[in-house]
Amino acid sequence: AAGVIQSPRHLIKEKRETATLKCYPIPRHDTVYWYQQGPGQDPQFLISFYEKMQSDKGSIPDRFSAQQFSDYHSELNMSSLELGDSALYFCASSSYGTSKHEQFFGPGTRLTVL
Amino acid sequence: AQKITQTQPGMFVQEKEAVTLDCTYDTSDPSYGLFWYKQPSSGEMIFLIYQGSYDQQNATEGRYSLNFQKARKSANLVISASQLGDSAMYFCAMREGSGGSNYKLTFGKGTLLTVNP
Repeated sequence: AAGVIQSPRHLIKEKRETATLKCYPIPRHDTVYWYQQGPGQDPQFLISFYEKMQSDKGSIPDRFSAQQFSDYHSELNMSSLELGDSALYFCASSSYGTSKHEQFFGPGTRLTVL
Repeated sequence: AQKITQTQPGMFVQEKEAVTLDCTYDTSDPSYGLFWYKQPSSGEMIFLIYQGSYDQQNATEGRYSLNFQKARKSANLVISASQLGDSAMYFCAMREGSGGSNYKLTFGKGTLLTVNP
């Protein structure tokens, strides 16, 4: 079965640089979520999109922005990177029509800021 | 206040034995869902089991079962016949609400399970 695809899997950036993380949800899933998991931490919700519109926003820094495109893939753009942005970034997708609203997670992008 | 509390930072279990991982939650929403995810050292988040607030029976998925006690607001994960491959971090998570398009998950701090041979 198709899973959530995230690219790149690993990314190394310098402070103050920018990064773009991509997420391709499971086919026919209409909702995408982004989570940030710092070292030794639990995942924290950043932002979500339903049918290409932002549906909720969590503790996402103003330096970050995201969008969902017409093919439902999503991109998380991170600017002026800081050391504290080093984390595992997950994208998850779900289908609004299911009763469980189960979220399927991608493998994550591990971002290291030097 | 913490919405999801996992009081066991680490647990040890012998191979082939059963283990219970604790999770308590806090919500005033009558409609919610509870999830358990497994995160091995490789980092991926693997969905294990789901319990809806209106579900009458405890959820089961193979060796995983959820001991759901609604009045106590607890949703403990029971793993039967532990295997070495079960060694991982386990997260309890909750989504609240039944309407709209927002079902973000709130996670607990996790329990690191180690299965000993």
